[in-house]
Amino acid sequence: ETGVTQTPRHLVMGMTNKKSLKCEQHLGHNAMYWYKQSAKKPLELMFVYNFKEQTENNSVPSRFSPECPNSSHLFLHLHTLQPEDSALYLCASSKKFPPEGGNQPQHFGDGTRLSIL
Amino acid sequence: KQEVTQIPAALSVPEGENLVLNCSFTDSAIYNLQWFRQDPGKGLTSLLLIQSSQREQTSGRLNASLDKSSGRSTLYIAASQPGDSATYLCAVIKGSGNTGKLIFGQGTTLQVKP
Repeated sequence: ETGVTQTPRHLVMGMTNKKSLKCEQHLGHNAMYWYKQSAKKPLELMFVYNFKEQTENNSVPSRFSPECPNSSHLFLHLHTLQPEDSALYLCASSKKFPPEGGNQPQHFGDGTRLSIL
Repeated sequence: KQEVTQIPAALSVPEGENLVLNCSFTDSAIYNLQWFRQDPGKGLTSLLLIQSSQREQTSGRLNASLDKSSGRSTLYIAASQPGDSATYLCAVIKGSGNTGKLIFGQGTTLQVKP
């Protein structure tokens, strides 16, 4: 039990579909993150939310749309994805947001394995 | 641009052996460095976090060191066990313009044989 729960665990979708990934944490954390992990590449940060406000968009294509309705929930809305978007999408949270929170470790969920047909 | 490199990419050792995983980073202006473990099909588990002002951190059989000036960190695993088999990831948070952005290496996949 990591404290960060992601659903679904696996998702297969066509390029014209619209789907959403969900992340939930009950650790009392205020910062949440989306990462992408592709084969043979390092983990890449996609988005950062601090107290429900987006503070980082790491040049992510607009076909990925994040939503953070409260500090405990984070969504990633997907539409018209490309085959190269197939990857493991990881959500993480941390107690505080840097700079003062830079020494707080990030806690990760188990990810959603996304496959684009 | 901060880059993180982990060597070796894969490592196979017999049970009981002590081993060292290496991590190097190009920009020494880091805020902290974290070591993670990732099991197949799973997310990341934080193992150790070393603040920029620290030299090392220890947890059980794990010891992580940090040498900021040379841009290096090592993760030492003592008396390795088959349960230690996993991918180990190193990540840094940069110090200047800090946005909490963890920059990851590609990981070292460790196999400990019984």
